[in-house]
Amino acid sequence: EPEVTQTPSHQVTQMGQEVILRCVPISNHLYFYWYRQILGQKVEFLVSFYNNEISEKSEIFDDQFSVERPDGSNFTLKIRSTKLEDSAMYFCASRETGGSNQPQHFGDGTRLSIL
Amino acid sequence: GENVEQHPSTLSVQEGDSAVIKCTYSDSASNYFPWYKQELGKGPQLIIDIRSNVGEKKDQRIAVTLNKTAKHFSLHITETQPEDSAVYFCAASKGTSYDKVIFGPGTSLSVIP
Repeated sequence: EPEVTQTPSHQVTQMGQEVILRCVPISNHLYFYWYRQILGQKVEFLVSFYNNEISEKSEIFDDQFSVERPDGSNFTLKIRSTKLEDSAMYFCASRETGGSNQPQHFGDGTRLSIL
Repeated sequence: GENVEQHPSTLSVQEGDSAVIKCTYSDSASNYFPWYKQELGKGPQLIIDIRSNVGEKKDQRIAVTLNKTAKHFSLHITETQPEDSAVYFCAASKGTSYDKVIFGPGTSLSVIP
């Protein structure tokens, strides 16, 4: 069964450094998302992306965050200047069509640790 | 915005017993309710979903019910097995083209052999 793949599985970065998290969505999917999960807390929405632009973003997704689909397969999340509180699991998700009530499929996440 | 509550936060059952997880949501515009299972070190995996025009849905040992009037929905797992042990998240969405999924805080289910 096709799946969303994320790399790396674990990223350790010094505070203030830039980090890029990578995702390869399912190939025929058109809608892409990033979520994060701080240890022990609920999964929180960050941003949705369609047709090469952001559809919606949460309050968490401030100017330090950006997303990009640089080619036909990758979908990236960049954090420009990382903070300690950015430490979390980051999940990428994708969805096939624009029809309502289609499920989002999640990758296994990247654990980001900021030192 | 939408808020999804979930309880219990932890649940232990004997193998073979049933497990029930209950959720409430706040936004009456939500019309799609997926349930995700998250195993250790993995991302959330969709196990079942229900839409607002349906009151109940069943898939083998898993069933979900939805009460739109009360804004309640529940997950029922029957004949639990040790491999059912995981964190379960309920979620809600308005179901528009790009709409986000709002997750509940999760229930850690332990099935004791």
